[in-house]
Amino acid sequence: NAGVTQTPKFRILKIGQSMTLQCAQDMNHNYMYWYRQDPGMGLKLIYYSVGAGITDKGEVPNGYNVSRSTTEDFPLRLELAAPSQTSVYFCASSYGTGGNQPQHFGDGTRLSIL
Amino acid sequence: AQTVTQSQPEMSVQEAETVTLSCTYDTSENNYYLFWYKQPPSRQMILVIRQEAYKQQNATENRFSVNFQKAAKSFSLKISDSQLGDTAMYFCAFSGHQGGSEKLVFGKGMKLTVNP
Repeated sequence: NAGVTQTPKFRILKIGQSMTLQCAQDMNHNYMYWYRQDPGMGLKLIYYSVGAGITDKGEVPNGYNVSRSTTEDFPLRLELAAPSQTSVYFCASSYGTGGNQPQHFGDGTRLSIL
Repeated sequence: AQTVTQSQPEMSVQEAETVTLSCTYDTSENNYYLFWYKQPPSRQMILVIRQEAYKQQNATENRFSVNFQKAAKSFSLKISDSQLGDTAMYFCAFSGHQGGSEKLVFGKGMKLTVNP
C-alpha cells in the first residue's frame, strides 16, 4: 500500500529557479490537497482539487500553480522560487469531502530556497 | 472564517502518565468535524482521532480520547498511559462546509515530549 507518494523528499533551489513537486496517490481518491508547513506553524492549504480537471485556490496560493490531468497525480509548480517559499510541503488525498473521509498525507517535501 | 487555537506550545510528561492537550475553535457552523493529528520527528502526519460535531458521545481510540464541548467550542485530547512513541507535534484541525467545499484548518500545534 503506497498511499500518497511525494517526490523529492528534499530539494534546495536558488532564487528564481522553478521546479515541480510531484504527488501521486493509488487509493482512487477524488480529492487532493497541497499544504505548506512553516516552522512552528500548522499546515496551510495552498491548492486543492475535487477531481481530474478541477482545481481551486486555498489560503496561500500566490507563487504556485497546480494541474490535475489524472485522478492519481497532483503536481505543484513553483515558477520563480523565492526565499518565502522555504517550507515543508505536504500532499494529501481523500475519497470524499474532508470531515467524513479523513485526509491521508504523504511524507512531505522539505524545500529550501537560497 | 474558521480558526483553530492551540494555546499550549509545549508540554512534557512522564511515561505512563496521563496528559491533556487543549484546543479551541471558532465557527458559525453547526455541522462540522474536528481532528487531532500527530506529527512525529519523521514528519509524517498521522490521524489520531476525529469527532463529528453532531455526535454528543466523545470519540475514543485506544489510549486516546477527546472531551468535546460544543457550546464552549472546545476539543481537548487526552492521552492515557503515555508512551515514549507519543513524543510528537500534535495538531488540532477543523473541517466544515463554509464556501461550499470542506477543507482542513489547522492550529499551530503543540510539542509533546514523553520522558522515560
